[in-house]
Order: sequence, then C-alpha cells, then structure tokens
Amino acid sequence: AQSVAQPEDQVNVAEGNPLTVKCTYSVSGNPYLFWYVQYPNRGLQFLLKYITGDNLVKGSYGFEAEFNKSQTSFHLKKPSALVSDSALYFCAVSPSGGYALNFGKGTSLLVTP
Amino acid sequence: EPEVTQTPSHQVTQMGQEVILRCVPISNHLYFYWYRQILGQKVEFLVSFYNNEISEKSEIFDDQFSVERPDGSNFTLKIRSTKLEDSAMYFCASNGRVTGELFFGEGSRLTVL
Repeated sequence: AQSVAQPEDQVNVAEGNPLTVKCTYSVSGNPYLFWYVQYPNRGLQFLLKYITGDNLVKGSYGFEAEFNKSQTSFHLKKPSALVSDSALYFCAVSPSGGYALNFGKGTSLLVTP
Repeated sequence: EPEVTQTPSHQVTQMGQEVILRCVPISNHLYFYWYRQILGQKVEFLVSFYNNEISEKSEIFDDQFSVERPDGSNFTLKIRSTKLEDSAMYFCASNGRVTGELFFGEGSRLTVL
C-alpha cells in the first residue's frame, strides 16, 4: 500500500528562521506527492505537488519541497518562516495517480514572533 | 476567488438517522470528491465522482454511503443509517482536470449521538 509518514506531531520555529516539515513515503512505482495546509476552521489548501521532473518543487506562499528518492522523503521547507505560516500541514500520496489521496496524520507548525 | 461551499457547517443527529451533506463545487470543475477526518486522526479518502458516476471509492465507503449530483451544481453525500463512528468532519473537494489541484470546502462537522 502507498502511504506517507509525518514523524513530527509539532514543529516549533522562530519567525525569520528556516522551517522544515518532514514527510517520508512508501510507494511502489513512481510516487505522486502533495503538501496541503489547513488553517483553523478552514478546508485544506493545496501548496505543491511532485509528479515528475525537478526534485525541487516550488509552491504557494514561498514553500518548496525536495523529492529525495534515495531517502524516500518529501520534506516541506521555507527559508524564512512567518507567524502566519502557523497551521496544520499534511503530506499526501496518490496511489493511483489520481486524487484518492492517502494523507499523513499532519504536523502542526507553530511560528513564534 | 471561486470556492467550494459546504452545508451544513455542523449537524447533530441521532444514531440510525439519515444524513445528507451538501456541497457546491467550483462551477467549471468536473471531478468531485468526499474526504473525512475523524477528530485527531488523518484525512481519509471516501469517494471520487466523475461523469455522473463513482470513479473510485475506499473501503470506508460501504453500502451506508451514497453520492449524488442531483442537478448541475450540487454534490451530496448521504449516510443512510448513521453510526457513532461516523462522527467526523466531512470535506468536499473538486478539480477541473485530473492532474489539477484539489480545492477543498471548509467541511461539515457531523456529530452522531
């Protein structure tokens, strides 16, 4: 089965510092990987996806993610965190290439001033 | 900006009752989805719908669940006889092409007593 794991329940970072939210995947074949963000009382919002091509994927709000096949990772990164980035972040994989996504359990990001 | 809208935002029902959750996807989108998130757990795929039929469904989506697009705008999820374990946040999503990003609604919280 294709799945993702988010090893951290919470990540704390000071505003202005770089942030990383970790995700590892387990797939057979080529993975379709996604990051979504959920703000309080809101639906999930798409940040970025990797299907093929460059290993470094750039997305919304200054976020990027690096696909690393040897480490089976797809970590979300941002060079300089903002307080407004505080939210719940979900990594997801598509087993079928469509949108029946398997989500990770989520990582809560807290950016402090 | 176009958005997916869901009603009701919160519904409380008694076990065994039928519930219908409604969604209005973005108007020019063709692919529709339901996901759910039990409190404290990860987001889970339920079903995808295209061209007036189910294209994919998960093991969760058993005979108690059904989906319908009764007119050109609404997309509904029906639970025939609710169980306590159906208590969750239900998210509707849509996209305009199979490789496009998913747009999620803000969710309908279902509480089964």
